[in-house]
Amino acid sequence: DSGVTQTPKHLITATGQRVTLRCSPRSGDLSVYWYQQSLDQGLQFLIHYYNGEERAKGNILERFSAQQFPDLHSELNLSSLELGDSALYFCASSVEGWGPIQYFGAGTRLSVL
Amino acid sequence: ELKVEQNPLFLSMQEGKNYTIYCNYSTTSDRLYWYRQDPGKSLESLFVLLSNGAVKQEGRLMASLDTKARLSTLHITAAVHDLSATYFCAVGNQGGKLIFGQGTELSVKP
Repeated sequence: DSGVTQTPKHLITATGQRVTLRCSPRSGDLSVYWYQQSLDQGLQFLIHYYNGEERAKGNILERFSAQQFPDLHSELNLSSLELGDSALYFCASSVEGWGPIQYFGAGTRLSVL
Repeated sequence: ELKVEQNPLFLSMQEGKNYTIYCNYSTTSDRLYWYRQDPGKSLESLFVLLSNGAVKQEGRLMASLDTKARLSTLHITAAVHDLSATYFCAVGNQGGKLIFGQGTELSVKP
């Protein structure tokens, strides 16, 4: 158990809908990262938050947004869902510093039908 | 744009044999990570390599980093079935993000 908690584990929804994925980082970690894993794109970085502020953005679609709250949990919002958004979404957390280990949660498997 | 390439992508090994997975990356970085992923599971951190020449070992796995060649290797010694998994290397980039390789699917057969 990495200490990173993601909910829900599975999500099935329809095209055009909006969903929210939730992540609680390890105790004491201020950084939260979101990644998408799919068969065709592999593991792709989406976004990084540190203590409530956005630090870095990857190839995140405009339909996707994220935030980190004062209690450090983070939410990834996916809207106007398309079939191609079906993937495994991972959250990771780390301490601050050079080369910290990112600890990954169990992931949320999103299926868009 | 930073690219990370692993080879081989698929590796079928016999128990007891040795093999090496290679990870090449395209731009300068001195933060290299190895992760393991079992089917349908999360990613488990194996090694973090933070300097040129760094070598780390854990059980039958040994990882090394050559920043000048932009190459990391993951060496498997006397493979056992429990090592069957997908192994990813990742390079640390600006803002803390990790750029992952495609993954190497390792299957160890008796």
